[in-house]
Amino acid sequence: EAGVTQSPTHLIKTRGQQATLRCSPISGHTSVYWYQQALGLGLQFLLWYDEGEERNRGNFPPRFSGRQFPNYSSELNVNALELEDSALYLCASSLRSRGSNQPQHFGDGTRLSIL
Amino acid sequence: QKEVEQDPGPLSVPEGAIVSLNCTYSNSAFQYFMWYRQYSRKGPELLMYTYSSGNKEDGRFTAQVDKSSKYISLFIRDSQPSDSATYLCAMKKAAGNKLTFGGGTRVLVKP
Repeated sequence: EAGVTQSPTHLIKTRGQQATLRCSPISGHTSVYWYQQALGLGLQFLLWYDEGEERNRGNFPPRFSGRQFPNYSSELNVNALELEDSALYLCASSLRSRGSNQPQHFGDGTRLSIL
Repeated sequence: QKEVEQDPGPLSVPEGAIVSLNCTYSNSAFQYFMWYRQYSRKGPELLMYTYSSGNKEDGRFTAQVDKSSKYISLFIRDSQPSDSATYLCAMKKAAGNKLTFGGGTRVLVKP
């Protein structure tokens, strides 16, 4: 069974540009989560999508946004990139989570570097 | 103060030794507890997922949860060089799906 897949593996951008990161969940999983792992800050929750809807977001500015498609894959968009956005962006997926507690399984991430 | 505290290490042990890792937390609303292993340039891999206080064993791994003390532990028996990685504890409240992570402990198992 294929795990969570993310693309691209590495993305290099300059300040002010926009970045798009993609995630395909494990087959059968309908919930997708995005986390940021920045040096010195650890893993921080960004966004949660379930059945196409944004269910929760972490303490990040609105220039971090995303969406979930009908096939449950997801996209994270970061606008007006800043140097401190340089980090590993991790996507996780789980079985439907509302009303239950399902473990989250992670992909290997997209490393975003801002020059 | 962070909600979840974890010693960053590194923790260096000889092959075959028991690795002992722990996290403390401040928010009693956390009800679900996880341990992830993360190799360099890889994503976190789920090792253990627990709910209640007590012990849970899976192969060489044992997870302990003490909700009264707000303290969780992970023990790795018969450690191998392939266990060298960063170990992350994570916690979740009963409602919602946001995971709150500790900062991770780097473990080195020397042959």
